[in-house]
Amino acid sequence: EVQLVESGGGLVEPGRSLKLSCVASGFIFSNYGMNWIRQAPGKGLEWVAYMSSSSSYIYYAETVKGRFTISRDNAKNTLHLQMTSLRSEDTALYYCARHDYSGEDYYFDYWGQGVMVTVSS
Amino acid sequence: DIQMTQSPASLSASLEEIVTITCKASQGIDDYLSWYQQKPGKSPQLLIYDATSLADGVPSRFSGSRSGTQYSLKISRPQVDDSGIYYCLQTYSTPWTFGGGTKLELK
Repeated sequence: EVQLVESGGGLVEPGRSLKLSCVASGFIFSNYGMNWIRQAPGKGLEWVAYMSSSSSYIYYAETVKGRFTISRDNAKNTLHLQMTSLRSEDTALYYCARHDYSGEDYYFDYWGQGVMVTVSS
Repeated sequence: DIQMTQSPASLSASLEEIVTITCKASQGIDDYLSWYQQKPGKSPQLLIYDATSLADGVPSRFSGSRSGTQYSLKISRPQVDDSGIYYCLQTYSTPWTFGGGTKLELK
């Protein structure tokens, strides 16, 4: 059974940093790209960042580029999101999601339960 | 950036209806389009990928289609359990973008 379990969230002051983790199980982690997606309270979904299976390709949303860093440790089946210079607008539930490819399309086929990040003084 | 304009924002439907949700892409996305269902307090779940392919375990009452740059999710004879918020996602080019969501209520 595929499982993605996020951790590391919490309450943080504006301008500070926080590091999220996502531990994967039930599949060969090193074979899949991974994403972070966030959802502000009562709002829709926003894709945040992507890292390919071998870390060769990395993409960010403009809203976080230069502040957030995605990384992964394939030996530990873990995805990370290092968040710096946090702003109130970064307050959201952060999901990690597995990236799959059908041969014709990319999609997010498994999602974690999410971890809450609240940026407030 | 590719904009995904999703409509309607909300709808209330009966169990006998056919429900249709649409997403219009601001440019061609070559069927790099997937649909997700999110129930209250839960993570999104994949329903459709490749615009028309049903994800594993998803009931056959869900289907996807395309007409030009407009993509549709259809639910035939929806069940009460289908209540929730539905999102489309384009992965044709980064930044990958979601539609604004459609809240479906079954009455």
